[in-house]
Amino acid sequence: ELKVEQNPLFLSMQEGKNYTIYCNYSTTSDRLYWYRQDPGKSLESLFVLLSNGAVKQEGRLMASLDTKARLSTLHITAAVHDLSATYFCAVDNPLRMNRDDKIIFGKGTRLHILP
Amino acid sequence: KAGVTQTPRYLIKTRGQQVTLSCSPISGHRSVSWYQQTPGQGLQFLFEYFSETQRNKGNFPGRFSGRQFSNSRSEMNVSTLELGDSALYLCASSSWAPREANEKLFFGSGTQLSVL
Repeated sequence: ELKVEQNPLFLSMQEGKNYTIYCNYSTTSDRLYWYRQDPGKSLESLFVLLSNGAVKQEGRLMASLDTKARLSTLHITAAVHDLSATYFCAVDNPLRMNRDDKIIFGKGTRLHILP
Repeated sequence: KAGVTQTPRYLIKTRGQQVTLSCSPISGHRSVSWYQQTPGQGLQFLFEYFSETQRNKGNFPGRFSGRQFSNSRSEMNVSTLELGDSALYLCASSSWAPREANEKLFFGSGTQLSVL
């Protein structure tokens, strides 16, 4: 069974600091997603990572994927208060049987950036 | 360009009833997927439709069903509601089935379902 673990689950940090959120998954997968969710709001897609060594950056966020280590990271550079949100990673389940093909989400990392 | 529209925004039902939720994707998008979000279980994938065909489904009981119409609009139905079905139900669309393209999903605001 595919499991997706994020850590930390809660993170409080000062503006201007750098930090990394980790996403580990238990079975080989060919696709990993990062999403952002503001309180009471819907999900916003941030990145789709498809291959080993993939790195994508948008603003102060950078995501990378190491398929051999089954690890993705979301790095925050010089955090600002507007980045406060919950961040989810999700992984495609490679076990495709009878169309039961699931996307498995991590539990999310609640990020609070102090001004 | 209008975003993904989900209706209703809030819904209150009682146990045993059934409910239908609606999702209108972004114009031109042909893929629609549904997700359930609860504080306890987190985000879980329900199913995915592309061109009126269910392509994938998550691990939910048969009480959860869906369909997609020729205009790509999708509905999700839950029959014989249980207290545990209380959740935020999110719909997302993309122009192609997301598994076959490097495409982001665009999410609606969700339908908050409360089962009493």
